[in-house]
Amino acid sequence: GDSVTQTEGLVTLTKGLPVMLNCTYQTTYSPFLFWYVQHLNEAPKLLLKSSTDNKRTEHQGFYATLHKSSSSFHLQKSSVQLSDSALYFCALIGNNYAQGLTFGLGTRVSVFP
Amino acid sequence: EAGVTQSPRYAVLQEGQAVSFWCDPISGHDTLYWYQQPRDQGPQLLVYFRDEAVIDNSQLPSDRFSAVRPKGTNSTLKIQSAKQGDTATYLCASGSGNNNQAPLFGEGTRLSVL
Repeated sequence: GDSVTQTEGLVTLTKGLPVMLNCTYQTTYSPFLFWYVQHLNEAPKLLLKSSTDNKRTEHQGFYATLHKSSSSFHLQKSSVQLSDSALYFCALIGNNYAQGLTFGLGTRVSVFP
Repeated sequence: EAGVTQSPRYAVLQEGQAVSFWCDPISGHDTLYWYQQPRDQGPQLLVYFRDEAVIDNSQLPSDRFSAVRPKGTNSTLKIQSAKQGDTATYLCASGSGNNNQAPLFGEGTRLSVL
């Protein structure tokens, strides 16, 4: 079945530094990838969704590129802010739609002044 | 457009009590998901509908949990006899049949079982 792997459980960094959160996936079908962000005591909110292979998508300063050759959709930001402290989930839908939306375990990002 | 609406926002129960959660998806969305999210963990799929049909309920504890979506719109998730281990936030999400449309979440119901 479909699966998503996020290798970092916790990322801590100082405001203004760049960040990259890893996301790799497995699916038999053509994938659609998403990043969701979840702030404390809130529901997950959509941050980014994938476009075509090797095309970068951007939103609110975050960006990611779907690379089917390496089955990856890493999330990046060039300069983090205190408000970026949150849980970040990578998620996948395979285009057969059999498994619906599959989440990775999540990466907690903590940004310090 | 209106988002996904869930109620209640909070529920506190004693073990053995029953509870129902209600979800009103975004109008026109044919897919609906129920997730369980324990504290500090990721969302775990319980059940997934397309219209009124159950597509995947393999992770739904069938002895105590049930979910319906009779008209392919609103959905109800019920826990028949709650256990302390059911303490979690229950999230509903809806999406369209077009795979490029990301499912969107409601605010969730935070359940505490004492």
